[in-house]
Amino acid sequence: SQQGEEDPQALSIQEGENATMNCSYKTSINNLQWYRQNSGRGLVHLILIRSNEREKHSGRLRVTLDTSKKSSSLLITASRAADTASYFCADAPRPKGGSNYKLTFGKGTLLTVNP
Amino acid sequence: ETGVTQTPRHLVMGMTNKKSLKCEQHLGHNAMYWYKQSAKKPLELMFVYNFKEQTENNSVPSRFSPECPNSSHLFLHLHTLQPEDSALYLCASSQVGGRRGQGYTFGSGTRLTVV
Repeated sequence: SQQGEEDPQALSIQEGENATMNCSYKTSINNLQWYRQNSGRGLVHLILIRSNEREKHSGRLRVTLDTSKKSSSLLITASRAADTASYFCADAPRPKGGSNYKLTFGKGTLLTVNP
Repeated sequence: ETGVTQTPRHLVMGMTNKKSLKCEQHLGHNAMYWYKQSAKKPLELMFVYNFKEQTENNSVPSRFSPECPNSSHLFLHLHTLQPEDSALYLCASSQVGGRRGQGYTFGSGTRLTVV
């Protein structure tokens, strides 16, 4: 089944550094989304990029999408200790009918930002 | 609070018990979802409800029984579970057919332990 796959599985950096996480997917998408999850909590939607977009920004977040390579990256600039969390990409395939889509998540990247 | 409330936050149950998980959303969304999150695995989509109608059942064992009495409430009825069903169960909602570019809103989850 289609599934976003994040890379790396774990990333540890110092506060102030940038963090880059990558995601690959397998089939045609309507959009790709990134979520964040603090330990044992629910996921929080960070940013969505549509299949016809190549780059999107939101605060310290920058997302890119390369549909030819079926990949996306999430860049967090000037990281903070509070950014420590798991980050997931989720691909939204083109729906067969209607306008709903089912998100399929990867295993996530565990980001640790050391103070 | 995200606007999606799950209760209880924690649940310990025996294999012969019957319990229910509850999810409530106050966002006016018309689609709701159950996901299962186990350690070292990607989030698994269990059930999808659009406009109160179940549109997806991802080969979930019958010991899990969903119920969606209205577009704001979603239940997951549990009976005769197995220890391997221990996981974080996440509810999410989204708006179908509305403005594009919205992600899912997740609740904080119910941590289920089957003993």
